[in-house]
Amino acid sequence: QSVLTQPPSASGTPGQRVTISCSGSSSNIGSNTVNWYQQLPGTAPKLLIYSNDQRPSGVPDRFSDSKSGTSASLAISGLQSEDEADYFCAAWDDSLHSYVFGTGTEVSVL
Amino acid sequence: QVHLQQWGAGLLKPSETLSLTCAVYDGSFSTYYWSWIRQPPGRGLEWIGEINHNGSTNCNPSLKSRVAFSVDTSDNHFSLKLTSVTAADTAVYYCARTDLVTDAFDIWGQGTMVTVSS
Repeated sequence: QSVLTQPPSASGTPGQRVTISCSGSSSNIGSNTVNWYQQLPGTAPKLLIYSNDQRPSGVPDRFSDSKSGTSASLAISGLQSEDEADYFCAAWDDSLHSYVFGTGTEVSVL
Repeated sequence: QVHLQQWGAGLLKPSETLSLTCAVYDGSFSTYYWSWIRQPPGRGLEWIGEINHNGSTNCNPSLKSRVAFSVDTSDNHFSLKLTSVTAADTAVYYCARTDLVTDAFDIWGQGTMVTVSS
């Protein structure tokens, strides 16, 4: 079951900026770190952003995130065709005593 | 470079037990927690639980009654068992390294598709 809510889809043309929202509650996003994952078609998810806008080695700085209260967002600037993927947010939930994921957003490059 | 390799039976009948194992290569086995995460076809991700090298575990409460984790520190493997499976347990199952400082799943296995069907 997905506790964090994301829009099902987002799209843009090459070079545009796309933003994906992730809505939660005080027990998850409101009190814990939000991480973002990218899942290319047919592959395992990959960590994209962690711990307040940190990127693993190899992830371009076109990807950034922000958080305010019980919501977070992922921004992709300079959209490229290889960014077509599903994106998931995730956080620890203090009430459920479990990691929880977002519903996922499919990004399309038009 | 850290690498996770997982394996297990891909086709089960209802009421059988799912069994998966994940091997950790060059991954600082004793430093991290090791998670299992699943993804039903066309759907989102669900955290199942985690274990560390000492056998300490945390588990998703919704699955706790059916889940067991184990670890083998002699060759850096960890395993998942899920009992009494139903069609609702059909999913791709992933193992992943959990960084408790960042709460991030920073390394993932390749995934194993498990289908439950009579």
